[in-house]
Amino acid sequence: TQLLEQSPQFLSIQEGENLTVYCNSSSVFSSLQWYRQEPGEGPVLLVTVVTGGEVKKLKRLTFQFGDARKDSSLHITAAQPGDTGLYLCAGPRRGATNKLIFGTGTLLAVQP
Amino acid sequence: GAGVSQSPSNKVTEKGKDVELRCDPISGHTALYWYRQSLGQGLEFLIYFQGNSAPDKSGLPSDRFSAERTGGSVSTLTIQRTQQEDSAVYLCASSSGQGYGYTFGSGTRLTVV
Repeated sequence: TQLLEQSPQFLSIQEGENLTVYCNSSSVFSSLQWYRQEPGEGPVLLVTVVTGGEVKKLKRLTFQFGDARKDSSLHITAAQPGDTGLYLCAGPRRGATNKLIFGTGTLLAVQP
Repeated sequence: GAGVSQSPSNKVTEKGKDVELRCDPISGHTALYWYRQSLGQGLEFLIYFQGNSAPDKSGLPSDRFSAERTGGSVSTLTIQRTQQEDSAVYLCASSSGQGYGYTFGSGTRLTVV
């Protein structure tokens, strides 16, 4: 069974701090996606990483895909209250690549 | 439309009643998904529609759950004889195809009392 474990589960930080969220699996994924979900809304796609070792930057957010394509990380620099939300990683299910498996999620709260 | 639209946004129902949840995907998106998100749990896959193919129902938790997609567009998820454990946020998403990300609706929060 493919599982995506995220850590930490909860994170509360002050505005301006840096943080890293991790997404790990024992399975290889052809790609991984990161979503952010705000209260009362559906998840919104942030990025897709497809190549082992790939690094993508989206303003203050840096996403990395592990060399072995089993893990990914999201680093946020100088966090802002607007970054608050549930961060989810997701990857295509083996043998059914048009269905995504979602990670367990990291709930981030950035205090002003 | 511009985004995925779900209705109602909130639904409170009595145990044993049937409910229908509606999803209007992005125009032209051939793939449509239903997921369930319970408090403290991740997103649980329910059902997947792709074009005119038979739906993938492998995630439906019981035969009380069913879904249809009419004309390759609007989808309805029906839960019969609702139980308290059905309380969750039901999310619909659409996609333009394999390898593309999902666009989610805002969800329907279902509470069974």
